[in-house]
Amino acid sequence: KAGVTQTPRYLIKTRGQQVTLSCSPISGHRSVSWYQQTPGQGLQFLFEYFSETQRNKGNFPGRFSGRQFSNSRSEMNVSTLELGDSALYLCASSLGRGEAFFGQGTRLTVV
Amino acid sequence: GQQVMQIPQYQHVQEGEDFTTYCNSSTTLSNIQWYKQRPGGHPVFLIQLVKSGEVKKQKRLTFQFGEAKKNSSLHITATQTTDVGTYFCAGSNDYKLSFGAGTTVTVRA
Repeated sequence: KAGVTQTPRYLIKTRGQQVTLSCSPISGHRSVSWYQQTPGQGLQFLFEYFSETQRNKGNFPGRFSGRQFSNSRSEMNVSTLELGDSALYLCASSLGRGEAFFGQGTRLTVV
Repeated sequence: GQQVMQIPQYQHVQEGEDFTTYCNSSTTLSNIQWYKQRPGGHPVFLIQLVKSGEVKKQKRLTFQFGEAKKNSSLHITATQTTDVGTYFCAGSNDYKLSFGAGTTVTVRA
């Protein structure tokens, strides 16, 4: 079966702009989580959605938001981009509390 | 909030030697998962431990979950060049995975 698909793979944005990243989970997976990965901070949890509801949220500013659609696809949005938002954004899907399957990630560079 | 600490941050290993990476949580965990991320890749699930004191083996990898469900370890025997990468533990509570900072492993042939 197809894995987790994230688009786009690479993105370059300017400070102050906003960006939307997309994640298509594995078919049948209703849980989608987002993580920010940077060399200095490791994998930081952003939020988790299940059946269109946000069940948990990490410690990120309100500029980071997300949503999940009825087909379980998810998007995350970052507004008013800052240089420090440059990172690899990873999406993971799962059936619930078990194994998480990660996508290849979106590499965001803010200049 | 929940914090997961992982040590060491870096592990340089001679091929054929053993090593261990340790993971400690500030709170009791529902379960703990381990992932491996190869350079340039994404994290790939290795295993999940649920029960207190649980030990699981995958070939040369041995995973342990502490009695108090607050710590875990991954021991690799006879390290090979294919073991290169970053190993993450992730503690699970409330539909949230809290990742440790990872142990980045390099192997000297």
